[in-house]
Amino acid sequence: ETGVTQTPRHLVMGMTNKKSLKCEQHLGHNAMYWYKQSAKKPLELMFVYNFKEQTENNSVPSRFSPECPNSSHLFLHLHTLQPEDSALYLCASSQVGGGGDNEQFFGPGTRLTVL
Amino acid sequence: TQLLEQSPQFLSIQEGENLTVYCNSSSVFSSLQWYRQEPGEGPVLLVTVVTGGEVKKLKRLTFQFGDARKDSSLHITAAQPGDTGLYLCACHSGGYQKVTFGTGTKLQVIP
Repeated sequence: ETGVTQTPRHLVMGMTNKKSLKCEQHLGHNAMYWYKQSAKKPLELMFVYNFKEQTENNSVPSRFSPECPNSSHLFLHLHTLQPEDSALYLCASSQVGGGGDNEQFFGPGTRLTVL
Repeated sequence: TQLLEQSPQFLSIQEGENLTVYCNSSSVFSSLQWYRQEPGEGPVLLVTVVTGGEVKKLKRLTFQFGDARKDSSLHITAAQPGDTGLYLCACHSGGYQKVTFGTGTKLQVIP
């Protein structure tokens, strides 16, 4: 596997379900991100992890719970979601520091539908 | 929160036509990036512009950063169906790691 991978690619869940999204980066980067992309809003940053430590929580509801066990893996645990949470959830990684431009490398996303 | 407004929101053109999309804000940026997102994929970085007035070319794509570093444009010459996608501008805001994306321009190039 190369780049950034995400599983599952599609997920349908009820409002009472608990599910998790998985992201893995094979680029040796030190930062990982969760973004939400919905039809009527710009791409929104949700969480930032730098060297496994959460450095940003962009006012995300607690029904979204991130986990970063190491610098290559990132999870987004979902519980008691609402239909308005239906969206494309994108994971990204980047190499922070060293004078670069913090280019974000994105995975293909998980298309989530909440019924 | 810094808002990046892109225009137009949607654009449908014939193959071979030229087009320009815009990214505007009331804030000054240290740098600005352009990404393209194809259907079913995540965004991919096209270019980063840093200096006011800077122009960068990537084959048929020309990127310009405004002199005051508050706006940017992307011009595509002789558009191809492969140029179809969502074009997003982005900047670093509230810290180096926090990236804010623009509202996006959805481009469709018809063969």
